[in-house]
Amino acid sequence: QKEVEQNSGPLSVPEGAIASLNCTYSDRGSQSFFWYRQYSGKSPELIMSIYSNGDKEDGRFTAQLNKASQYVSLLIRDSQPSDSATYLCAPSGSSNTGKLIFGQGTTLQVKP
Amino acid sequence: DVKVTQSSRYLVKRTGEKVFLECVQDMDHENMFWYRQDPGLGLRLIYFSYDVKMKEKGDIPEGYSVSREKKERFSLILESASTNQTSMYLCASSFIGQGLQPQHFGDGTRLSIL
Repeated sequence: QKEVEQNSGPLSVPEGAIASLNCTYSDRGSQSFFWYRQYSGKSPELIMSIYSNGDKEDGRFTAQLNKASQYVSLLIRDSQPSDSATYLCAPSGSSNTGKLIFGQGTTLQVKP
Repeated sequence: DVKVTQSSRYLVKRTGEKVFLECVQDMDHENMFWYRQDPGLGLRLIYFSYDVKMKEKGDIPEGYSVSREKKERFSLILESASTNQTSMYLCASSFIGQGLQPQHFGDGTRLSIL
């Protein structure tokens, strides 16, 4: 079992729709969870952080965390073509070293 | 805003050369990291450092070494470059705070070994 599992996609949604990206993780000691967006040929960019169970909203983005189910998700409302990118899920793992465990990412395509 | 600066965006070197990749951060972060990213393999941690002169091996340290003489600078060294080290190299830094903090990435160096 991989430490962090994401569907590689591509996930294709029409412009204006809600995109739902999912991530499961194996380390129950993970306390911090991050979502990064990575455009093709570019470096990852932090878009959301979540530390406690429930929802966290920031503009069109909502992160959802369920530690009991070891599940974290990212919802993108009113998807735009500029949201087309690969989204990386990164739980902290149980060590306190600052290392993150990166998933391989889900590629999102938003079609005009 | 956090600024992580990698010395080169693109670099072409020859097999057997010693290659230095430099990374500087301006936020006084304790942690610094070097990753490589290859299609289908995701981000793989090469080395990380949690303090000056301190380093720890990541998942794929073979063929690499690192140096951290100053807090803001973390260098990755390819001792004798080989073609299988052609990749995108990413540097990141993070703060040690209450609750784990996110990593912030530089723009990356696309390295080609011929």
